[in-house]
Amino acid sequence: NAGVTQTPKFQVLKTGQSMTLQCAQDMNHEYMSWYRQDPGMGLRLIHYSVGAGITDQGEVPNGYNVSRSTTEDFPLRLLSAAPSQTSVYFCASRPIQNTGELFFGEGSRLTVL
Amino acid sequence: EDQVTQSPEALRLQEGESSSLNCSYTVSGLRGLFWYRQDPGKGPEFLFTLYSAGEEKEKERLKATLTKKESFLHITAPKPEDSATYLCAVRTNDYKLSFGAGTTVTVRA
Repeated sequence: NAGVTQTPKFQVLKTGQSMTLQCAQDMNHEYMSWYRQDPGMGLRLIHYSVGAGITDQGEVPNGYNVSRSTTEDFPLRLLSAAPSQTSVYFCASRPIQNTGELFFGEGSRLTVL
Repeated sequence: EDQVTQSPEALRLQEGESSSLNCSYTVSGLRGLFWYRQDPGKGPEFLFTLYSAGEEKEKERLKATLTKKESFLHITAPKPEDSATYLCAVRTNDYKLSFGAGTTVTVRA
């Protein structure tokens, strides 16, 4: 049971480039979410999804797109990377009926030059 | 706006030296307070959920308590393996958690 898997673990981009951070979970969780973590700040919610075909914005959605075509996958897209998007990104999931414990991936460290 | 503040930012302890971490919150309607542990280079790992004032949860050397304005994470007789960043989060609706910045605990042998 792999849990929540994120790829890549590390990525360096130039300003203006696009990329997709991948997130997959094998626990059949309906709820999936993306957070970013910056020094001195708490984890901030970017986007979340409560099931295939359903997504919604979190606290800091600007500059990011998401889609949810399957229960297992929830990719995060950066269309035109900016230095302000340099951060560590975490994907997390949980069953929809359990509003408590989130299961996190190991993170993707993104640097935008 | 929901606010979660954790203190201190960093805590250095000697092995066996008990201490407490604080999480104060200002929310419109608390529907759960959560503690997570995060090791360097890893994702947060769930520890506890507290729902109402007066509630307590324990796990090994960790004990979490909740009042109407704050939560404490007590570490009793810590060991070096308790070194980590401890995150507090509050839930005010079904889909969003608001996290504090965390307290980094270092326990020296």
